[in-house]
Amino acid sequence: AQSVSQHNHHVILSEAASLELGCNYSYGGTVNLFWYVQYPGQHLQLLLKYFSGDPLVKGIKGFEAEFIKSKFSFNLRKPSVQWSDTAEYFCAVYSSASKIIFGSGTRLSIRP
Amino acid sequence: EAQVTQNPRYLITVTGKKLTVTCSQNMNHEYMSWYRQDPGLGLRQIYYSMNVEVTDKGDVPEGYKVSRKEKRNFPLILESPSPNQTSLYFCASRPGAWGNTEAFFGQGTRLTVV
Repeated sequence: AQSVSQHNHHVILSEAASLELGCNYSYGGTVNLFWYVQYPGQHLQLLLKYFSGDPLVKGIKGFEAEFIKSKFSFNLRKPSVQWSDTAEYFCAVYSSASKIIFGSGTRLSIRP
Repeated sequence: EAQVTQNPRYLITVTGKKLTVTCSQNMNHEYMSWYRQDPGLGLRQIYYSMNVEVTDKGDVPEGYKVSRKEKRNFPLILESPSPNQTSLYFCASRPGAWGNTEAFFGQGTRLTVV
């Protein structure tokens, strides 16, 4: 069965530090990948998505992700985080069963 | 404004008392689904619907029912809620079931069953 793994459950960074959140998926077919963000008390919002083409995807708020097919990875990056990036981040993959499967999430805390 | 609207946002109920959480979208999306979010488990799909009168079980359907009589509405029904259904629930919609479409989420319903 398809699955998504996010190995970092909680990441704590200082402002201006660089961020990389790991995401690995298990699905051998054509992949469609997403990163969603959930700010405290809010619903999930799309950060970025990969369907095809350039494996380096740029999203909103300075985030980007790189699809590496050989590693089954889709890691999220940001060169310099801000306090307002404090949120929970979910990696997700479209599965063959017509649904989107979410990882367990990574909570990001930013120290001002 | 394109949106997915859930009601209520917060609900405290007692074990066994039937409840319905409503979900409505104004984007004419065919595909709608319900998720529950629990700490450390991420989002797990409860039920989904590919179109009017077409519904199917997700990963954790036990204790839940849904209906899709109209395209815009997809209510979640708990016939006899139990404490293990205490959770944060999200409704989501997508243009279709195909892969290259993102999901749009409602604001969430925090349910507590005592």
